[in-house]
Amino acid sequence: DAGVIQSPRHEVTEMGQEVTLRCKPISGHDYLFWYRQTMMRGLELLIYFNNNVPIDDSGMPEDRFSAKMPNASFSTLKIQPSEPRDSAVYFCASSWGGFREKLFFGSGTQLSVL
Amino acid sequence: QQQVKQSPQSLIVQKGGISIINCAYENTAFDYFPWYQQFPGKGPALLIAIRPDVSEKKEGRFTISFNKSAKQFSLHIMDSQPGDSATYFCAAANTDKLIFGTGTRLQVFP
Repeated sequence: DAGVIQSPRHEVTEMGQEVTLRCKPISGHDYLFWYRQTMMRGLELLIYFNNNVPIDDSGMPEDRFSAKMPNASFSTLKIQPSEPRDSAVYFCASSWGGFREKLFFGSGTQLSVL
Repeated sequence: QQQVKQSPQSLIVQKGGISIINCAYENTAFDYFPWYQQFPGKGPALLIAIRPDVSEKKEGRFTISFNKSAKQFSLHIMDSQPGDSATYFCAAANTDKLIFGTGTRLQVFP
């Protein structure tokens, strides 16, 4: 398996633009997680899905953030409109069995909002 | 109660030395304690994990020591190598959450 695949690897956009981050989890995994990493706040859980259903989105910072998982092999994280404070590395991860099992992380999307 | 406190923030060790990173948690509902390793430009990767029914787990040069009564756990890297230079995150989890520590940047010099 190729592991968790995220795209794009880098995204540079201007404030106010819509940004869509994409993730393909490992086949067969039933949990998918979106994390954000910044120097100030470390690794923060934004939202997670179980069997394509959103379970907890309490970490989503604002209504500008939304996430979907239309099927077991694809998820998106959308920011609309984007702001400079959204600049961070966004990671997608997947696991078989949830938080108490091994999480496999993608290589992340480095987002810069100017 | 959801925090995981990690120290030190950075660590410099000579090749062959022992690296020690410490973590503490407050929520007794946590029952799974993994350590993740992250190299620049990569996502975190699971290094080793422990459940609270044991006090120590060893995998190669990496050992987790767990003190349930003190709510503390630590990672020991024996015979540290330059290839171990990375950022290490402890974490604590239960069925609903996985909370990461703030990270320790380890540099191992030849």
